[in-house]
Amino acid sequence: ETGVTQTPRHLVMGMTNKKSLKCEQHLGHNAMYWYKQSAKKPLELMFVYSLEERVENNSVPSRFSPECPNSSHLFLHLHTLQPEDSALYLCASSQGQGRTDTQYFGPGTRLTVL
Amino acid sequence: AQSVTQLGSHVSVSEGALVLLRCNYSSSVPPYLFWYVQYPNQGLQLLLKYTTGATLVKGINGFEAEFKKSETSFHLTKPSAHMSDAAEYFCAVTGVMNTGFQKLVFGTGTRLLVSP
Repeated sequence: ETGVTQTPRHLVMGMTNKKSLKCEQHLGHNAMYWYKQSAKKPLELMFVYSLEERVENNSVPSRFSPECPNSSHLFLHLHTLQPEDSALYLCASSQGQGRTDTQYFGPGTRLTVL
Repeated sequence: AQSVTQLGSHVSVSEGALVLLRCNYSSSVPPYLFWYVQYPNQGLQLLLKYTTGATLVKGINGFEAEFKKSETSFHLTKPSAHMSDAAEYFCAVTGVMNTGFQKLVFGTGTRLLVSP
């Protein structure tokens, strides 16, 4: 595997379910990100981890819970979601947190909440 | 605070025609600017970026963008569109989070449609 991978690619869940999204980067990067992409809205930064430490929460509801067990893996645990949480969830990584550090994105998980 | 405005949610061109996607930014510090492309069912891929130095930046797939400070613009162009260029394009500027760390601030995107 190369680059940034995400699983699953598609997920349908009920509002009472608990599920997790997984992201893995094979680039040796030190920072990882979760974004939410909804139709007709800019990408929303949800969480940032740098060297496995969360550095930004960005006022995300507690029904979204991130986990970064090491610099290569990032999870987003989902619990009691709402239909408006349906979106494409993108993971990204970068070498560092500098202004010129390019973020590399995974293909995303398309989440549908029923 | 930093922000990005992309004029036109959809742009339609014919194959072989000039592509022009507009991006204007607002930044309280010298901006670092990016263009990303998203093909259907894929993540975002970096096309090009401007940090410092030459204001005309060349990227992948024949795209280029010019940083114009006086106009606060970073428009993306390609001389001749290909069918394979049909995708959504995002302009972004670096911003600063409350924690002092950097983040990307994205525009709402422009969908490029290419007709034969």
